[in-house]
Amino acid sequence: GDSVTQMEGPVTLSEEAFLTINCTYTATGYPSLFWYVQYPGEGLQLLLKATKADDKGSNKGFEATYRKETTSFHLEKGSVQVSDSAVYFCALRGTNTGFQKLVFGTGTRLLVSP
Amino acid sequence: DAGITQSPRYKITETGRQVTLMCHQTWSHSYMFWYRQDLGHGLRLIYYSAAADITDKGEVPDGYVVSRSKTENFPLTLESATRSQTSVYFCASSESGSEAFFGQGTRLTVV
Repeated sequence: GDSVTQMEGPVTLSEEAFLTINCTYTATGYPSLFWYVQYPGEGLQLLLKATKADDKGSNKGFEATYRKETTSFHLEKGSVQVSDSAVYFCALRGTNTGFQKLVFGTGTRLLVSP
Repeated sequence: DAGITQSPRYKITETGRQVTLMCHQTWSHSYMFWYRQDLGHGLRLIYYSAAADITDKGEVPDGYVVSRSKTENFPLTLESATRSQTSVYFCASSESGSEAFFGQGTRLTVV
């Protein structure tokens, strides 16, 4: 079945450092790919998405490019802030899932220090 | 208020008790989902629904029951709570092709 693998955390960075969180997936066809963010004590919020190969999703300085050839959707940000500290989830919605199900990775905690 | 709301936010219950977690959305989204979040597992799908009176099992349905008599509500019932069901539960809703919107979560502790 469909699955998502993302790097284990926590990822600890200093403010203004470059961020990469790796995400790879297994799915048939052409899934849609997502990054969700969860701030402490809150639910998940959509951060960005890409629906076809070579699409780049971007939001709040975060970017991720849908790479079909490497089945990857790595999250990047050029300069992180303390306020970016959160848990980040990579997810996919497969093309064979008639019920619009999202399949999530295990999440990566990001800790940014001043 | 518009959006998706879960209640209660926190719940402590005893082993063997029945407990129901509520989820209500105001967008009239067709699809609704229940996930549980556990360390090391991320979010795992328990049950989902494509419309009123249409539900199906997800990855970890054992011990849970759902119903969807109205489009806006999707309650999750633990028939006889076990300690392994201690978790944070998230409800979500979406329309076809759209992003999923999540509630704030319910932290359930089974003692």
